[in-house]
Amino acid sequence: QVQLVQSGAEVKKPGSSVKVSCKASGGTFSTYAISWVRQAPGQGLEWMGGIIPMFGTANYAQKFQGRVTITADESTNTAYMELSSLRSVDTAVYYCARMSGGGNWDYWGQGTLVTVSS
Amino acid sequence: EIVMTQSPATLSVSPGERATLSCRASQSISNTLAWYQQKPGQAPRLLIYGASTRATGIPARFSGSGSGTEFTLTISSLQSEDFAVYYCQQYNKWPPYTFGQGTKLEI
Repeated sequence: QVQLVQSGAEVKKPGSSVKVSCKASGGTFSTYAISWVRQAPGQGLEWMGGIIPMFGTANYAQKFQGRVTITADESTNTAYMELSSLRSVDTAVYYCARMSGGGNWDYWGQGTLVTVSS
Repeated sequence: EIVMTQSPATLSVSPGERATLSCRASQSISNTLAWYQQKPGQAPRLLIYGASTRATGIPARFSGSGSGTEFTLTISSLQSEDFAVYYCQQYNKWPPYTFGQGTKLEI
């Protein structure tokens, strides 16, 4: 059974950066795309970007281009999402999710709450 | 960017009744549409992909239909555990993948 386990909650100051990890187990890590999706409090879902670990090249939503970096480490089956220049509106739960073959996400991490506050 | 619009925002239904949720795409996306269920404090759960194919382990009371720009998720006989927020998501043209704003299904 595939499991995605994310790192714990973070509290950050405006202007700083956060790096969230997502460790996969129980499946083939390298060949499935991992995406990052965030959800602000009481709001909907927003795709930020994704990566196929065996290729190593990430795609990003234009909204986050230049501020987000998604990487993957095949040796540890872990994906990372780093978001810089944090603002209060970046306060959200950040999810990693594994993409099935077809463009949707069949396995999700438990979510990581990132709070941006001075 | 393809904009996904869901209606209604909130749907009030009684257990045992049928619920019909709608999702519209701003341009044709063929059948590249998924539905997710999300309960409070939980990650989304994939229900339907390819507009009409149930994901593994999803009960038969969930069904999806539509293609092009108009899509429907139907829950034939609501159970107490079905009250949640439902999102549609397109994967026809990306980046970005886009979601609807969600429909809250309440008792």
